[in-house]
Amino acid sequence: GENVEQHPSTLSVQEGDSAVIKCTYSDSASNYFPWYKQELGKGSQLIIDIRSNVGEKKDQRIAVTLNKTAKHFSLHITETQPEDSAVYFCAASIADSWGKLQFGAGTQVVVTP
Amino acid sequence: ETGVTQSPTHLIKTRGQQVTLRCSSQSGHNTVSWYQQALGQGPQFIFQYYREEENGRGNFPPRFSGLQFPNYSSELNVNALELDDSALYLCASSLSGYTTDTQYFGPGTRLTVL
Repeated sequence: GENVEQHPSTLSVQEGDSAVIKCTYSDSASNYFPWYKQELGKGSQLIIDIRSNVGEKKDQRIAVTLNKTAKHFSLHITETQPEDSAVYFCAASIADSWGKLQFGAGTQVVVTP
Repeated sequence: ETGVTQSPTHLIKTRGQQVTLRCSSQSGHNTVSWYQQALGQGPQFIFQYYREEENGRGNFPPRFSGLQFPNYSSELNVNALELDDSALYLCASSLSGYTTDTQYFGPGTRLTVL
């Protein structure tokens, strides 16, 4: 089955700097890669996703890049703000199939003013 | 539009006991997925319910079972609790069971097994 590895486990950045989180996946059949943000006491929310037919997707300060050959994808947050502090999870699955997302172990991002 | 809610927020049980966790899906959603998130780990898929039927299952033993009701709310039942069952249990609702449908997560139930 699919295995997703996520690095780093913790990331501390100064406000205004960029943050990058990297994930690798094992199943070459995976073609859908969402990223979730988890804040304490709140439900995790989807922040961006990408399908394997594109190499990059951007939404304001957040972007995701995908390298299918190397089987890795990354989340980029620019101009970080204190409200970006949270745990971020990457996930992989087969698009338009039933069932599960395979999540990485998460990255704790701390943005210091 | 109300979001996904879960109850209870926290729960403490002893080994061997049984527990029921509840999830109310977001309005208009007919699919609920359950995940187990151990401390410091990502969510692990337990199973999914689509229109009251189990639609997919992860690598969890049969003592993990579930139900989905006609209003699409759902229960997760765990029998014969073990210490390793201590975790945050998350439910997520979506419009359908397809993985590309955005899953809306509840805040979770923290289960501690002593």
